[in-house]
Amino acid sequence: GQQVMQIPQYQHVQEGEDFTTYCNSSTTLSNIQWYKQRPGGHPVFLIQLVKSGEVKKQKRLTFQFGEAKKNSSLHITATQTTDVGTYFCARNNQGGKLIFGQGTELSVKP
Amino acid sequence: NAGVTQTPKFQVLKTGQSMTLQCAQDMNHEYMSWYRQDPGMGLRLIHYSVGAGITDQGEVPNGYNVSRSTTEDFPLRLLSAAPSQTSVYFCASSPLLRRTPYEQYFGPGTRLTVT
Repeated sequence: GQQVMQIPQYQHVQEGEDFTTYCNSSTTLSNIQWYKQRPGGHPVFLIQLVKSGEVKKQKRLTFQFGEAKKNSSLHITATQTTDVGTYFCARNNQGGKLIFGQGTELSVKP
Repeated sequence: NAGVTQTPKFQVLKTGQSMTLQCAQDMNHEYMSWYRQDPGMGLRLIHYSVGAGITDQGEVPNGYNVSRSTTEDFPLRLLSAAPSQTSVYFCASSPLLRRTPYEQYFGPGTRLTVT
């Protein structure tokens, strides 16, 4: 099936440093969704991007959708310990399948 | 609204046993799905449904059955449990936006161990 590849798999940062996770596809994406899962919790929806080149911000989080709609990124400015968790991107495949990437696990050292 | 509820929270099965994981949502969402989550593998789609009476296979459907007789309920049946099915199972629901799933609401998960 059509996958999305996420990198890196793990990221350890010092509190206050920035963090970026990338989501890449070999085929054009109709849209891309981002989720956050806290340790021991369930995934929680963050955002959906639809338009080529789209940039959306949620406080310290910046989401981008590539011009070719084949990649996306999530950037966190000045990480805090509350940002700890795993960040997933997800793509909609034909027929209603929502396929998740492997996720990027973020740990933040205070 | 309770959102998406899943039962049980924890379950231990012996190899070969069968069981049903329950999932219900009270948001009148058309779309429902089941994922399993294993370390380093992300969330893998097992089965999904775009409405009552309609189900389809996801990425890893083998060993699992689903049905969708009502909008609210989407049970997942393990036919003959195997150790490879040890995992955390998440049910999710969402509205459909132009026939594609939008914001997924996840249940709290069921942690299943097969010995």
